[in-house]
Amino acid sequence: KAGVTQTPRYLIKTRGQQVTLSCSPISGHRSVSWYQQTPGQGLQFLFEYFSETQRNKGNFPGRFSGRQFSNSRSEMNVSTLELGDSALYLCASSSDAGSTDTQYFGPGTRLTVL
Amino acid sequence: DQQVKQNSPSLSVQEGRISILNCDYTNSMFDYFLWYKKYPAEGPTFLISISSIKDKNEDGRFTVFLNKSAKHLSLHIVPSQPGDSAVYFCAATGYGNKLVFGAGTILRVKS
Repeated sequence: KAGVTQTPRYLIKTRGQQVTLSCSPISGHRSVSWYQQTPGQGLQFLFEYFSETQRNKGNFPGRFSGRQFSNSRSEMNVSTLELGDSALYLCASSSDAGSTDTQYFGPGTRLTVL
Repeated sequence: DQQVKQNSPSLSVQEGRISILNCDYTNSMFDYFLWYKKYPAEGPTFLISISSIKDKNEDGRFTVFLNKSAKHLSLHIVPSQPGDSAVYFCAATGYGNKLVFGAGTILRVKS
């Protein structure tokens, strides 16, 4: 079974631009969550999608948005990029929205904002 | 407001000895706890979990202990191996599918 895939793996943007990251979950998984990892901050929860609906949202500004398609693939968009948005963005999938269901992570997209 | 804290940024252990990684949490609504391991350039990999109805869970060389009254959990790795060198994240959840992570502890196992 293929794991969680994320594209692109690396991205360099400049301030003010916008970016779209993509995540393909493990086949059969319906829940996709997004996290931001920065040095010293661990992983910060961005949002979770289940069956094309946003189920949970973290404490990030409205510049961060996402969506999920009918095939469970998800995209995350960041508009008006700031230097502080430079981070590793991780996507995780699980089979349903239960809190004890293990989340499996993709390799991440490394975003650098110049 | 850090609800999950890993107070040791790094830990160095000799091969064959025990590694103990600690994690504290503040939210009493958390009822499920997980440990993830992360190598550079890879996403976190699930290691072991424990439900709040248990105080211990074991999987091979890995054991997680939960002390609910102290809101503390720990991961024991015995014996430690050089391949265990990685960043270890403690995570907790209690509602929906939102994981709250600690900042991570870098484990170095010296051979």
